[in-house]
Amino acid sequence: AQSVTQPDIHITVSEGASLELRCNYSYGATPYLFWYVQSPGQGLQLLLKYFSGDTLVQGIKGFEAEFKRSQSSFNLRKPSVHWSDAAEYFCAVARYNNNDMRFGAGTRLTVKP
Amino acid sequence: EPEVTQTPSHQVTQMGQEVILRCVPISNHLYFYWYRQILGQKVEFLVSFYNNEISEKSEIFDDQFSVERPDGSNFTLKIRSTKLEDSAMYFCAGGTANTEAFFGQGTRLTVV
Repeated sequence: AQSVTQPDIHITVSEGASLELRCNYSYGATPYLFWYVQSPGQGLQLLLKYFSGDTLVQGIKGFEAEFKRSQSSFNLRKPSVHWSDAAEYFCAVARYNNNDMRFGAGTRLTVKP
Repeated sequence: EPEVTQTPSHQVTQMGQEVILRCVPISNHLYFYWYRQILGQKVEFLVSFYNNEISEKSEIFDDQFSVERPDGSNFTLKIRSTKLEDSAMYFCAGGTANTEAFFGQGTRLTVV
């Protein structure tokens, strides 16, 4: 079965600084990859997804992610973080042609003023 | 825009009681899922459902759990005899082949 590792449990960045959240996946074939954001007590909001094609995908709120097959990674980036970006971020992987997802443990982002 | 609807938003139940969590997926969805998230932890896969049967389930989904789609629209998760450790947010999701799954807003289950 597919699986996801998010190596960073908690990251703190200053407002305006750049951000990169790491995600590594394990799956033997072409994966579907996702990043979700969750504010406290809220549901899951899809930031972006990769199915095929251009390996650099753009999402909402100024986020982007790059799929690197050779590294089995799908890292999330944002050039300039805003205080409202403080939340929990989950990377997820699904099997090709199937939306049965497995989530990473999440990375909690704190934004310092 | 169509969305996945879950009811209730919050359910409190006594330990040992049965609960049924309900979900109304988007009408053209064919694949259905339940996930749970214990407070402060990751989102965990419970079960996937396709063509009126379970297609995959995790080790969490033991005999206390069951799912069904009784009337072709609602998709339910039943927990037969709740335990304290069943307290969590339960998310329903649905999708079609080659799309992402669409999540509901979740039902917070509190077992007391």
